[in-house]
Amino acid sequence: EDQVTQSPEALRLQEGESSSLNCSYTVSGLRGLFWYRQDPGKGPEFLFTLYSAGEEKEKERLKATLTKKESFLHITAPKPEDSATYLCAVQAGGSNYKLTFGKGTLLTVNP
Amino acid sequence: GAVVSQHPSWVICKSGTSVKIECRSLDFQATTMFWYRQFPKQSLMLMATSNEGSKATYEQGVEKDKFLINHASLTLSTLTVTSAHPEDSSFYICSAPGGGGPKDTQYFGPGTRLTVL
Repeated sequence: EDQVTQSPEALRLQEGESSSLNCSYTVSGLRGLFWYRQDPGKGPEFLFTLYSAGEEKEKERLKATLTKKESFLHITAPKPEDSATYLCAVQAGGSNYKLTFGKGTLLTVNP
Repeated sequence: GAVVSQHPSWVICKSGTSVKIECRSLDFQATTMFWYRQFPKQSLMLMATSNEGSKATYEQGVEKDKFLINHASLTLSTLTVTSAHPEDSSFYICSAPGGGGPKDTQYFGPGTRLTVL
């Protein structure tokens, strides 16, 4: 059974204080690992897709990396508007696009 | 691109009534769509896979007679919660893969908040 574990559950940062979120996974043949951002009362917003170990993707203050067992979402010099829940999900080969989600990390960035 | 919409955004209904939620891919076609539910402070749980022109596939523990799914066209899937009860109150979100983004990436709708009184 595919499993995704995210840590920490919650993270509080000061504006400008860089940090990383972790996503550990077990999956039978990784097809893709996905990061989403979810604001309260809204659907997840796509951030990154990673396909193989060693791959990295960047977007503004966010950078996602992937190894064979985990993925990190690095946040550099965060701003209050980066406050949200960050979700990690994996897709197994042959799964017909099905995603298995972690419970998410609630990030709060204080001004 | 890759926009998915849902209607309504929120709905309040009485116990025993049925509620229909629509999910549309606005700028791309989707032969497959997914329906999730999310309880407060919890992650998304996949309910079912909606397949255009064929029956939906339900996850273990999801009652197919209670949550009716119809994927009538390449841009529209509907979820009908039949004989709704207070325990069906939740945040329902749909998704669709495609839209010209990275391979296998799913795009999510804004969600529908269902409250059953």
